[in-house]
Amino acid sequence: GAGVSQSPSNKVTEKGKDVELRCDPISGHTALYWYRQSLGQGLEFLIYFQGNSAPDKSGLPSDRFSAERTGGSVSTLTIQRTQQEDSAVYLCASSLAVSGSIYEQFFGPGTRLTVL
Amino acid sequence: GDSVTQMEGPVTLSEEAFLTINCTYTATGYPSLFWYVQYPGEGLQLLLKATKADDKGSNKGFEATYRKETTSFHLEKGSVQVSDSAVYFCALHGSSNTGKLIFGQGTTLQVKP
Repeated sequence: GAGVSQSPSNKVTEKGKDVELRCDPISGHTALYWYRQSLGQGLEFLIYFQGNSAPDKSGLPSDRFSAERTGGSVSTLTIQRTQQEDSAVYLCASSLAVSGSIYEQFFGPGTRLTVL
Repeated sequence: GDSVTQMEGPVTLSEEAFLTINCTYTATGYPSLFWYVQYPGEGLQLLLKATKADDKGSNKGFEATYRKETTSFHLEKGSVQVSDSAVYFCALHGSSNTGKLIFGQGTTLQVKP
């Protein structure tokens, strides 16, 4: 079926506002990941969800960042009180499993966030 | 912690030239290694992978061999094309089963006709 989709594709916001970024993974993929791609930091892992297990939040840069995954499918990344350093492309990826030979992460097109 | 280091770009080559993009890693245990490619205006795509030492991943004329003794996974192509112009990322998935990929900084390749 369709690949990983993300919305919006672009988001411009003012410093201090909250934003929500959405990710629709490939149907049937149990694992979902969020990464951030910025000029200064390259590609950084943020958080991942695997089935019903507790998410790995070890990559979230501050408590202003949070994410949830409802019904084991769609995920929302929320950034509260945005700062200019949050400006980046936020990438979502999904995979069938975390380990094993079928491990491959499929990436969405990303959401470009600009904080003015 | 685990890390990936790849050669800085940009790399500029003429069409049909030989390409090497160096990638070395630091990890405990036996990670899986990947090359992802990001073409202009497109999302990240898996190019090739290798899951154990001495494995060779290959796709679209690109190759990379998992060298545990040198902790390297260099990307090579014998004859590049203009359409290969993109950003290439080396990445690892650690054996600790955390799920996340650790990426290198990315190398921009520009191929001129």
